[in-house]
Amino acid sequence: GDSVTQTEGLVTLTKGLPVMLNCTYQTTYSPFLFWYVQHLNEAPKLLLKSSTDNKRTEHQGFYATLHKSSSSFHLQKSSVQLSDSALYFCALSERNMGYKLTFGTGTSLLVDP
Amino acid sequence: DTTVKQNPRYKLARVGKPVNLICSQTMNHDTMYWYQKKPNQAPKLLLFYYDKILNREADTFEKFQSSRPNNSFCSLYIGSAGLEYSAMYLCASSRGGLGYEQYFGPGTRLTVL
Repeated sequence: GDSVTQTEGLVTLTKGLPVMLNCTYQTTYSPFLFWYVQHLNEAPKLLLKSSTDNKRTEHQGFYATLHKSSSSFHLQKSSVQLSDSALYFCALSERNMGYKLTFGTGTSLLVDP
Repeated sequence: DTTVKQNPRYKLARVGKPVNLICSQTMNHDTMYWYQKKPNQAPKLLLFYYDKILNREADTFEKFQSSRPNNSFCSLYIGSAGLEYSAMYLCASSRGGLGYEQYFGPGTRLTVL
């Protein structure tokens, strides 16, 4: 079946530094990849999504590129802010599984002043 | 309004007792989902409704029931709670189809004692 791997459980950074959160996936079908962000005591919200190979997608200063050759969809930002502290989930969806989301375990990003 | 509401936000239940969680959305989405989230684990899909059709995951088939009396409401029912049911339960809704964003509620934290 489908799977999503996020290798970092916790990433701690100082404000202003760049960040990359890793996401790799396994599926035998053509996927949609998503990044969801969940701030403390709030609902998860969509940050980015893509199904187009090798095309960068951006939102709120975050960006990611789907690379089907390496099955990756890493999330990046050039300069993190305190407000970026949150839990980030990578997820995939594909037609064969009824469009449900298969999530990774999530990466907590903590930004220090 | 893209809000998904969940009630209650916190639920304390006794082992062996039933639990009923409620979710509502006003976006006229045809699909509603229930996920279970435990600490340091990926959110796991339990079941989803596409219109009036219920789809339950194979490994949780007998543990959870659900009803959707109308387009806006969806419940998650546990007939006899066990300690292993302690978790965050997330409800989400979306338009059916590949690539559509799922809108999440803030979750219900269930503690079974």
